[in-house]
Amino acid sequence: DVKVTQSSRYLVKRTGEKVFLECVQDMDHENMFWYRQDPGLGLRLIYFSYDVKMKEKGDIPEGYSVSREKKERFSLILESASTNQTSMYLCASSLGGGDTQYFGPGTRLTVL
Amino acid sequence: QQQVKQSPQSLIVQKGGISIINCAYENTAFDYFPWYQQFPGKGPALLIAIRPDVSEKKEGRFTISFNKSAKQFSLHIMDSQPGDSATYFCAASGNTGKLIFGQGTTLQVKP
Repeated sequence: DVKVTQSSRYLVKRTGEKVFLECVQDMDHENMFWYRQDPGLGLRLIYFSYDVKMKEKGDIPEGYSVSREKKERFSLILESASTNQTSMYLCASSLGGGDTQYFGPGTRLTVL
Repeated sequence: QQQVKQSPQSLIVQKGGISIINCAYENTAFDYFPWYQQFPGKGPALLIAIRPDVSEKKEGRFTISFNKSAKQFSLHIMDSQPGDSATYFCAASGNTGKLIFGQGTTLQVKP
C-alpha cells in the first residue's frame, strides 16, 4: 500500500528557530512535493523535486529551503521561523510528472 | 493564468441530496483535472480525475462534468451521505506536472 509519512503531526517552535520537516515515501517515486495548506487558500506549492539532489521552486518558496539527498526522503527547512509560517504542511509524492500525487497526513506547525 | 477558482467555499446538503462543487481555470494548456477529498486529520486523497478529451466521468456516486469551451469543471456527488462530509479540492495541471489547487470546499452532509 502507498505510504507517505511525515516526521511530526504537531510542532510548536519559537520565532527565529530553524525548523526541519521530514517526509519519507516508500513507493520509489521520482517526484516529491511540499505544500502549505491555509484556510481559504487551498494548497500552495512551496518546492518540489523530480530527482535526487534536484529541486524546483514552487509558488511560495520565500523563507523555505529543501533537501533531497535520498530518493525516498524530502526535507523542508525553515531557516528562521516566523509567525506567518504557522500553517499545515503537506508532503506528497508521485511516480511521474502527470501522475497521481499521494499525500502524507500533514504537520501542523505553530510558530510562537 | 495559473489560478484555479473553486466555489462555493462551504456547502451544506441533506442526506440523499446532490452536492455540486464548481471550478474554473484560465490556462488552456491544462490537461489533467483531478479532485481530491480530505478528511479531518488526514492528507488529501485522489477521488476522481478527468482529461479534456471527455466531457464527463463517473465513478460510483461521483461524477466530473467538464466544459472545455467554458474552461470549467464540476464535481457532482449523487445521493450524498454523512460519510462524504469532507473538504474537496479541485486541481489542474499541464505539462509541468505541477498541480494548481482550488481554494477548497467544506461539505457537510446532514443526516
